[in-house]
Amino acid sequence: GDSVTQMEGPVTLSEEACLTINCTYTATGYPSLFWYVQYPGEGLQLLLKATKADDKGSNKGFEATYRKETTSFHLEKGSVQVSDSAVYFCALSDSTSGSRLTFGEGTQLTVNP
Amino acid sequence: ETGVTQTPRHLVMGMTNKKSLKCEQHLGHNAMYWYKQSAKKPLELMFVYSLEERVENNSVPSRFSPECPNSSHLFLHLHTLQPEDSALYLCASSQDGAQTAYGYTFGSGTRLTVV
Repeated sequence: GDSVTQMEGPVTLSEEACLTINCTYTATGYPSLFWYVQYPGEGLQLLLKATKADDKGSNKGFEATYRKETTSFHLEKGSVQVSDSAVYFCALSDSTSGSRLTFGEGTQLTVNP
Repeated sequence: ETGVTQTPRHLVMGMTNKKSLKCEQHLGHNAMYWYKQSAKKPLELMFVYSLEERVENNSVPSRFSPECPNSSHLFLHLHTLQPEDSALYLCASSQDGAQTAYGYTFGSGTRLTVV
């Protein structure tokens, strides 16, 4: 079945540091890939997405590129801010297995001033 | 405003109480979901409704009872809960068949504490 594996957290960075959160997936077909962000006390919000290989999703300074050859969708940001402290979830949707989203376990990011 | 509204935001209940969580969406979606999020655990999918019919029930104890009276509303009825049921309960919605393009839209959750 489909699965998503994220790097284990928690991740702690200083402000203006570079961020990479790794995400790899297993899917039957050619899935769409998503990153969701969950700020403290809130639900999940869609951060960015990519629907086909080599697509790059971007939003709020975050980027992720759909790499079919390595089955990866790593989240990156060049300079993090304290306000980026949140839990980040990688997810996939595969139309060949019903299109329901499969989520990774989430990675807690804390950015210190 | 995410388009999916959950009430109440916080709920404290005793183990013998009966309460209900409410979820409402006005996005025109036809599928709705309940998730449980406990501290330091992955998201747990509890129930899935598509076109107001329950299509998935992931071995959830019978003390949790979902209801979907129409495509815009979803309830989770709670009775005789246990302290380990304390968690953040998240509702989400989507357009069935369009998840690969748009994903899900989540509500802000109900923080439930069972005492």
